[in-house]
Amino acid sequence: DIQLTQSPSFLSASVGDRVTITCRGSQDLSNYLAWYQQKPGKAPKLLIYAASTLESGVPSRFSGSGSGTEFTLIISSLQPEDFATYYCQQLNSYPLGFGPGTKVDIK
Amino acid sequence: QVQLMESGGGVVQPGRSLRLSCAASGFTFSTYAMHWVRQAPGKGLDWVAAISYDGKNIFYGDSVKGRFTVSRDNSKSTLFLQMNSLRVEDTAVYYCAKSPGVAASGCDYWGRGTLVTVSS
Repeated sequence: DIQLTQSPSFLSASVGDRVTITCRGSQDLSNYLAWYQQKPGKAPKLLIYAASTLESGVPSRFSGSGSGTEFTLIISSLQPEDFATYYCQQLNSYPLGFGPGTKVDIK
Repeated sequence: QVQLMESGGGVVQPGRSLRLSCAASGFTFSTYAMHWVRQAPGKGLDWVAAISYDGKNIFYGDSVKGRFTVSRDNSKSTLFLQMNSLRVEDTAVYYCAKSPGVAASGCDYWGRGTLVTVSS
């Protein structure tokens, strides 16, 4: 099975900061990777799929890049509503899996 | 608009069974693959199962394989998860989620989830 790691697991940032989250796979994922945002008590929200394609309605301050085994989610200018936990998900092969998550907190 | 509503959660003893349902509306259910994803209290997301649009292709996570069964009734726009031999570690909020039209693109709509608590 493919394993995903995320770094950092936790980060503290301020409004307006540029935030970078990395997701690494144990095998080549091509570009079959998605990113989600989850706020407490809520269902996850799809942000990016196919590694770099922005889901409809998601603000352009979110971007994704990467292929193979290393992927990046960037929030170009952190907004108050962006404080949440972010997960990557591999969609290359079954069983599908999620990374352990990165919690973005207010500094 | 797309709506997914899970039901069937509750408290159950270890070793017993439970059946979850997910009622879908606002889209042509019969043309989309669907997923179950769970989240234990205070923990991360755990992919459980997926079923193709026609029910012919089904996949499971390692932790539930052989115990859980996913199915769908396209005539009723409903997704199911039959959970047998439940364990304490199956305690979680269970979400149903819809795949977009493009393959391998994640889950674009999610329900609010239903809580399953396995406890003696």
